[in-house]
Amino acid sequence: DTAVSQTPKYLVTQMGNDKSIKCEQNLGHDTMYWYKQDSKKFLKIMFSYNNKELIINETVPNRFSPKSPDKAHLNLHINSLELGDSAVYFCASSQAHSGQYEQYFGPGTRLTVT
Amino acid sequence: RKEVEQDPGPFNVPEGATVAFNCTYSNSASQSFFWYRQDCRKEPKLLMSVYSSGNEDGRFTAQLNRASQYISLLIRDSKLSDSATYLCVVIPTGGFKTIFGAGTRLFVKA
Repeated sequence: DTAVSQTPKYLVTQMGNDKSIKCEQNLGHDTMYWYKQDSKKFLKIMFSYNNKELIINETVPNRFSPKSPDKAHLNLHINSLELGDSAVYFCASSQAHSGQYEQYFGPGTRLTVT
Repeated sequence: RKEVEQDPGPFNVPEGATVAFNCTYSNSASQSFFWYRQDCRKEPKLLMSVYSSGNEDGRFTAQLNRASQYISLLIRDSKLSDSATYLCVVIPTGGFKTIFGAGTRLFVKA
């Protein structure tokens, strides 16, 4: 069973479009995250959610809107896509609220904006 | 100064070699530390947690020096399969923010 899953794995779209990426974890974790890994391979946190509540928003443009319908899901919606949004987006989860900060990552979504 | 700094490498070593990676962090209030491994076009995977007392997992040894704000990872008897990027991770007080280093690339050659 996949612990953290993301869909789609690949996403190719044009500038100006709106797209969503979905994430689900079956680890029973209370905290979920979105990360962006750019072409230079630098991994940067975008958002952190704990029990469906936004905890961290790392100065991400408001074109990016995360939504957590429940503890096991954290989706990412991106409006008006730009060329600079091309990257790999990783979802992760942990039991941070209980002091267990080890994070487990999904396989990533490779977004290409043309 | 970056919050977490790593030597980017690449480190090119023969099989069987011992290799050490270092990482420094700027926030003295940081509370948790990890090493992750990332293979090409894959997700980061947890390698090990890092404690002040040092911890070992097979060929891997991690160490934390809070006074110097320094984390290390030692790999003994390198295998071809150890070739990957090694990421240092620091979690500041509060526990919800995560800071990744830029990674150190390791190539192990036969």
